Amino acid sequence: DVKVTQSSRYLVKRTGEKVFLECVQDMDHENMFWYRQDPGLGLRLIYFSYDVKMKEKGDIPEGYSVSREKKERFSLILESASTNQTSMYLCASSSSGESYNEQFFGPGTRLTVL
Amino acid sequence: AQSVTQPDIHITVSEGASLELRCNYSYGATPYLFWYVQSPGQGLQLLLKYFSGDTLVQGIKGFEAEFKRSQSSFNLRKPSVHWSDAAEYFCAVGAYTGRRALTFGSGTRLQVQP
Repeated sequence: DVKVTQSSRYLVKRTGEKVFLECVQDMDHENMFWYRQDPGLGLRLIYFSYDVKMKEKGDIPEGYSVSREKKERFSLILESASTNQTSMYLCASSSSGESYNEQFFGPGTRLTVL
Repeated sequence: AQSVTQPDIHITVSEGASLELRCNYSYGATPYLFWYVQSPGQGLQLLLKYFSGDTLVQGIKGFEAEFKRSQSSFNLRKPSVHWSDAAEYFCAVGAYTGRRALTFGSGTRLQVQP
């Protein structure tokens, strides 16, 4: 089974803090994604990566950055957390084969910024 | 760019009743289509997917969906709902080329009455 793990299920940070959200997948997938989930808005893509050290902006990249130094790990960074970044963050991965669009999700990190 | 509309924010059905969740997409060619389910406090789990071929696809947990090109729809159905089906359901579309990420609808929350 594909397993995608996220470093924290719940996180509480203060405004202005630098926040790291970590995601690890164990299926040697090329593609990894960070989404943000808010009620009534579904999932919105923040950033994605299709290879080590490669990244592309998604639909809402402002206020976020990412890092992918190893194939299995994809980190989301909030350089200076703000209250409007309080949300559920979901990481996903997928292969680049025929079924490359099928994504496997982690359990999510619920981030609260005070 | 592709988009997905789930017109029903919230649906309540009685246990044992049939279910249909609506999904309409916008994309210039035949897309990849997915239905995911998210149980409370959990990540997203893939229910079923359509890539090509037979327009009626079977998924896990007794769900099925039908791709109708003329209506740009991919509605999810289940003949008899169980209390454990209470969750949030997301329809998603992926492109054959270009960006590898999925575009999600805003979700439909299903409540099951005893």
